Amino acid sequence: KQEVTQIPAALSVPEGENLVLNCSFTDSAIYNLQWFRQDPGKGLTSLLLIQSSQREQTSGRLNASLDKSSGRSTLYIAASQPGDSATYLCAVRRTAAGNKLTFGGGTRVLVKP
Amino acid sequence: SAVISQKPSRDICQRGTSLTIQCQVDSQVTMMFWYRQQPGQSLTLIATANQGSEATYESGFVIDKFPISRPNLTFSTLTVSNMSPEDSSIYLCSSSQGGTDTQYFGPGTRLTVL
Repeated sequence: KQEVTQIPAALSVPEGENLVLNCSFTDSAIYNLQWFRQDPGKGLTSLLLIQSSQREQTSGRLNASLDKSSGRSTLYIAASQPGDSATYLCAVRRTAAGNKLTFGGGTRVLVKP
Repeated sequence: SAVISQKPSRDICQRGTSLTIQCQVDSQVTMMFWYRQQPGQSLTLIATANQGSEATYESGFVIDKFPISRPNLTFSTLTVSNMSPEDSSIYLCSSSQGGTDTQYFGPGTRLTVL
């Protein structure tokens, strides 16, 4: 059974510092991995999707890496801003046919001005 | 990206009653998904809804408690039946647009059961 873990559960940084968020999964047989952002009481916003054959994806200040063999993904957010304060969730999808996502517990980020 | 809307956005209900949550996608999709997010926790898949067939439920979720309809390729409903305070959660629907693997989520329905 796939288990997804995100450490730390919470993170507080001063504005301008780079953020490093970790995601680990127990079963390396994944189809893809997706990072989401969730603001309090809101739905999820997709940030980046990494296919199992890819090593990284970039979008603006965001960069996500994937090391499937070791069961790890890292989300980097450069030059953090107060608007980056949110909970960040990673989720893995096991197969192409089944769209079920298994989520990690999330990392709650606070960027202080 | 897919645009997914949900109604209601929030509700406060009495125990023993039922609530039906609607999910609308702006394009035709094969599969729609219903997730639950209990307070302070991550998301758990309730069921997968395919148009024209019975929904497929995950372990721990049953049709009598969470009946799902999928009348067409852009719409689905989830009913939370005979509610108890333990059902207080955010319920989210999700889908991916044809040709992409990215999963998109609706804004969620925040349910409080008294």
